[in-house]
Amino acid sequence: NAGVTQTPKFHILKIGQSMTLQCTQDMNHNYMYWYRQDPGMGLKLIYYSVGAGITDKGEVPNGYNVSRSTTEDFPLRLELAAPSQTSVYFCASSYSTAGNSPLHFGNGTRLTVT
Amino acid sequence: DQQVKQNSPSLSVQEGRISILNCDYTNSMFDYFLWYKKYPAEGPTFLISISSIKDKNEDGRFTVFLNKSAKHLSLHIVPSQPGDSAVYFCAASAKAGKSTFGDGTTLTVKP
Repeated sequence: NAGVTQTPKFHILKIGQSMTLQCTQDMNHNYMYWYRQDPGMGLKLIYYSVGAGITDKGEVPNGYNVSRSTTEDFPLRLELAAPSQTSVYFCASSYSTAGNSPLHFGNGTRLTVT
Repeated sequence: DQQVKQNSPSLSVQEGRISILNCDYTNSMFDYFLWYKKYPAEGPTFLISISSIKDKNEDGRFTVFLNKSAKHLSLHIVPSQPGDSAVYFCAASAKAGKSTFGDGTTLTVKP
């Protein structure tokens, strides 16, 4: 089992460019999430999905878009990248949204916008 | 307003001693609390959780204590090992809600 796989691991983006961070999971989890972690801070929820075709905004959605066409994949798109989007991005999945259903995280994408 | 706070950014302990990591929360609707551990260049991994109807949960060397009246929880690691050196995140969730994370505490266990 690979779990949650994120690509790329690292990327440098120029201001104003766009890119897609890829995330795929092989645990057949319905629930998937995108978080960002800034230095010295906790994880902030960007977007989440409760199943294929259903997505919703989290705490910090501005500047991002998501889609969920399959159970396995949950890509995150950055449009018109800004330096404030420099961060480490984590994708996660869970069996349910019940509080006792822990999140399974990928290893992150470290993005620098310059 | 930050709903989950980990007031100690770092903690250093000697191998074999107890590590105590603390977490405070403000939202009384939280019903589950989870601890995650994160090594550099990896994603967080789930460590242990506790329901709001309990005051203690134990798993091997790890024990989480919950004080609902004080809105405070703590993670105890006994005995601490060098491999426990990592960033520990406290997270809380309300019924069928998304997790809210603290800013993390970096634990260093010295041999």
